[in-house]
Amino acid sequence: QAQLVQSGAEVKKPGASVKVSCKAFTYTLSGYHLHWVRQAPGQGLEWMGWINPHTGGTNYAQQFQGRVIMTREMSIGTAYMELSSLTSEDSAVYYCARDREVLKWFGVPEFSAMDVWGQGTAVTVS
Amino acid sequence: AIQLTQSPSSLSASVGDRVSITCRTSQDISSALAWYQQKPGRAPKLLIFDASILQSGVPSRFSGSGSGTYFTLTISSLQPDDFATYFCQQFNNFPFSFGQGTKLDIK
Repeated sequence: QAQLVQSGAEVKKPGASVKVSCKAFTYTLSGYHLHWVRQAPGQGLEWMGWINPHTGGTNYAQQFQGRVIMTREMSIGTAYMELSSLTSEDSAVYYCARDREVLKWFGVPEFSAMDVWGQGTAVTVS
Repeated sequence: AIQLTQSPSSLSASVGDRVSITCRTSQDISSALAWYQQKPGRAPKLLIFDASILQSGVPSRFSGSGSGTYFTLTISSLQPDDFATYFCQQFNNFPFSFGQGTKLDIK
């Protein structure tokens, strides 16, 4: 069964950066788009963007552009999300999640839902 | 960005009840909608995709319907394990926005 395993909790100072990792097990990372989603304490879900692990292409939500970088290291089947210039409002649980659509190497990318989720990484900015 | 509005925001119900949660979108998204269930301290779990297709392994008491701008998640007979928060999400346009969530608790 496909699984995503994320790195552990982080505590950062305001103005610092955080880099969260997400390792794929039992499936090939390059086969599916990977999304990043965050959830502030007691709040709803916020989509941050996606990465195409095959090409490295990305698409970021506008509110994170200029502050977020999504990358991957295919040799170890791991994706990363780095968020910079942290403030207390960035304190949240960060999730990686696989899109259920098989990644197509050509044509318009397709998306439909997030079927495999990491366990979440708590980031505290204080 | 497409706005998603779920109703109600919270709901109290009993085991065995039939409940429905709605999700309205600010633009026509065809059937590009997913539903998730989330329990405290856990990652969301996919229930429904493409508005009405049940994810593998999800009990058949869950169903989804709708298209365009109006969608519904229905639980036909509530079980103790179903008390959780439910979110809808659209995949028609970037950013892939979520509804604010509906918390379902025991009456």
